[in-house]
Amino acid sequence: GENVEQHPSTLSVQEGDSAVIKCTYSDSASNYFPWYKQELGKRPQLIIDIRSNVGEKKDQRIAVTLNKTAKHFSLHITETQPEDSAVYFCAASGSARQLTFGSGTQLTVLP
Amino acid sequence: SAVISQKPSRDICQRGTSLTIQCQVDSQVTMMFWYRQQPGQSLTLIATANQGSEATYESGFVIDKFPISRPNLTFSTLTVSNMSPEDSSIYLCSVEGGENTEAFFGQGTRLTVV
Repeated sequence: GENVEQHPSTLSVQEGDSAVIKCTYSDSASNYFPWYKQELGKRPQLIIDIRSNVGEKKDQRIAVTLNKTAKHFSLHITETQPEDSAVYFCAASGSARQLTFGSGTQLTVLP
Repeated sequence: SAVISQKPSRDICQRGTSLTIQCQVDSQVTMMFWYRQQPGQSLTLIATANQGSEATYESGFVIDKFPISRPNLTFSTLTVSNMSPEDSSIYLCSVEGGENTEAFFGQGTRLTVV
């Protein structure tokens, strides 16, 4: 089955700096890669996703890149703000259509 | 986007008892999934709820412990049976918006077993 590894497990940045979270996956058949933000006590919320036919996608301060050859994808958050502080999960999905999640990254944006 | 109602939102249960969690979706969906999120951990898939047939369980999860019903395309239940403190987790149902599109999550059920 699919295995998704996520790094780092914790990340602290100064407000205004950029944050990068990286994930690798094992199943070359995976073709959908969403990123979720989970605030304390709340459900995971999709923040951005990318499909295997695209190498990069951007939405305002958030961008995701995908390298299919290397089987890794990354989340980039620019101009971080305190409200970006949360746990971020990457995930991968293939033909079975269920998501396999990474272990999560606790992002803390310091004012 | 799908609207998912999951209940109860939280419960405190005695060990040895069972709890049934309900997930109602506002539209028909093909794929429904149940996840577990243990304290401070990531989400782990328990099973895929199949309409009209038995659920498909992931490794480490069995039907006797986590029986699932899926009577139609808008509703599913997950039962946590014979609970122990190790079952204390958040349980989330999820539906897929379409092939390889966003998965929507219910608000989760925070279960504490004492």
